[in-house]
Amino acid sequence: DTGVSQNPRHKITKRGQNVTFRCDPISEHNRLYWYRQTLGQGPEFLTYFQNEAQLEKSRLLSDRFSAERPKGSFSTLEIQRTEQGDSAMYLCASSRGLQETQYFGPGTRLLVL
Amino acid sequence: DQQVKQNSPSLSVQEGRISILNCDYTNSMFDYFLWYKKYPAEGPTFLISISSIKDKNEDGRFTVFLNKSAKHLSLHIVPSQPGDSAVYFCAASEKGNFNKFYFGSGTKLNVKP
Repeated sequence: DTGVSQNPRHKITKRGQNVTFRCDPISEHNRLYWYRQTLGQGPEFLTYFQNEAQLEKSRLLSDRFSAERPKGSFSTLEIQRTEQGDSAMYLCASSRGLQETQYFGPGTRLLVL
Repeated sequence: DQQVKQNSPSLSVQEGRISILNCDYTNSMFDYFLWYKKYPAEGPTFLISISSIKDKNEDGRFTVFLNKSAKHLSLHIVPSQPGDSAVYFCAASEKGNFNKFYFGSGTKLNVKP
């Protein structure tokens, strides 16, 4: 059990650029979650997958955001035309199934200049 | 609209004494509550949880109390140790939707040696 990993750990980009983050969940965890955390706040739910199916999306996930989990293993979160307000920590978590503990990765810190 | 609130941004406690972290919620549909601990540069780590059918759950030095009528829960750490110094997040999920957690803004605990 190597834990949830996220890459990159840090990303600095200019406004208007596209960025993509990757999350590798704990193996055999079929549920994967994305959260966003801004300074001084707790994590906010963005979306979750059961295997490759994206089952719920928060209204925080504007049309510039897209998440995929093509083979039910790793997931990517893409932000198109980044804005300064997108600067945040993006956290990924995974769980074995429903009503199981969510295990978080270390996050990807995004700074949009 | 913050549905889970942690009104104390920070708490300082002497080693060996009790730490009490508080959390209030507004959504009466919440029926499962968790505490996560977060160290700098790491993702949140699950600590302890409680279902709404209980009013207390204990795990070693950590005890969570739930007061449903007051929509309040608290985390007690006894005795506090310097290694407990971290940010503690309270989280909740609605009945029937365990996949989506609502987090508070966190309380930074400092345990002084």
